[in-house]
Formats: sequence, C-alpha cells, structure tokens
Amino acid sequence: EAGVAQSPRYKIIEKRQSVAFWCNPISGHATLYWYQQILGQGPKLLIQFQNNGVVDDSQLPKDRFSAERLKGVDSTLKIQPAKLEDSAVYLCASSLDRAGWGYEQFFGPGTRLTVL
Amino acid sequence: QQQVKQSPQSLIVQKGGIPIINCAYENTAFDYFPWYQQFPGKGPALLIAIRPDVSEKKEGRFTISFNKSAKQFSLHIMDSQPGDSATYFCAASSGKAAGNKLTFGGGTRVLVKP
Repeated sequence: EAGVAQSPRYKIIEKRQSVAFWCNPISGHATLYWYQQILGQGPKLLIQFQNNGVVDDSQLPKDRFSAERLKGVDSTLKIQPAKLEDSAVYLCASSLDRAGWGYEQFFGPGTRLTVL
Repeated sequence: QQQVKQSPQSLIVQKGGIPIINCAYENTAFDYFPWYQQFPGKGPALLIAIRPDVSEKKEGRFTISFNKSAKQFSLHIMDSQPGDSATYFCAASSGKAAGNKLTFGGGTRVLVKP
C-alpha cells in the first residue's frame, strides 16, 4: 500500500513570496491533516479535512495560509506571503474515518520550507 | 488545557539501556494516547498507543505506562538498540467528538550509543 505522498520535499523562497505544497493521502482515507513542525518542536495541526469539508482550521493563520481539498482526495496548502517564521517542515497526514476508539494517522515525509 | 508536556528534551543511553520518556496532560477529555517515532527526514510513524483504562501496554521492546490519576504517561524502550535512535513524540486526542485531533508533546531526541 502506497503511503502519503508530498511534494516538493524541499523549498527555499524569499520572504513575501508565495509557495504551495501538495499532498496525496493514502487511498480511501477520508480525513486529511496538515501540520507545521518547527525545528525542535512537535507537529502542530494547521487544518483538518473530512472528505471535502474543513473540520478544524482554528490554528491556521488565515491571513496568509490557505488550503483546499478538491474532490476529497489531494490537497494543497498555500502560503502567501511567506514570513521568516514560516520556516518549518509541513507534514501531511491521513487517516480512515471510523467509529470507536483509536485510529492511526499516517504521515508523509514532509516538505521542508526555508524562508530567507 | 490542550497542552501535552514532554520530558526530557534529549536522552543518551548505552546499548541495552532503558530510555524513559515522560508526558503529562491536563485535559481529562483525552482518551487516546499514542507515541510516534520520527527519524531524520521522515514523517512521524505510530509506535504504540494506549487508552486511559489500561495501566500498561507492551509491544515488543516498547512499553507504555499510564497513570490516570496523575494524568501522566511514559514510554520505556527495553534493551535499546542503536537503531532506536530517533525523536519520540507523545500525543493525546479526545476522540471522534473532537475530530480525532492529536495534540503532540515537544519531542524527545533519543541517542543509543553502541
């Protein structure tokens, strides 16, 4: 079974430029997450999708970050304009939508963003 | 109240030693406590998870101990090997009602020396 795919793996941009990241979740996974992982910290949830709809975007800086998940499969996360503090690894994860206790989030390898 | 506090930040042990990583939480609605392992350049991967009505769970060389009254849980890596050198994250979730959202601890970098 193929894992979560992300691209690009690395991106270097100047501040105030825009950037976009792409994620393809595991086939059949209804839930998709975008996390920001700053160096030396744990992942922080930015946005969560259930199929096409947004479940939680409370920690997404909406003045500069946007995300979409068209057709309930692939997703893109965009930053416009980027700031120095956006330098981080952006992780995409997906999970099955099932009832009951416990579930597993499967993470992609991440995109390392450096803002100069 | 959504925080998960993890300690220590880093740990060095000799091969065969038992690294112990501790986490504490405040939100009593949390009902799922996974541990993730992350190698450099890779995304986190689920290692082991526990629910709050269980005090201990073992999977291979990895053991979670859970203390509900103290709101603390810990990971023990028995007979640690150099291949266990990685960053470990504890996390917590309050289940489907909260969208299965995971709150992660800050991570512990473990180095196992040969």
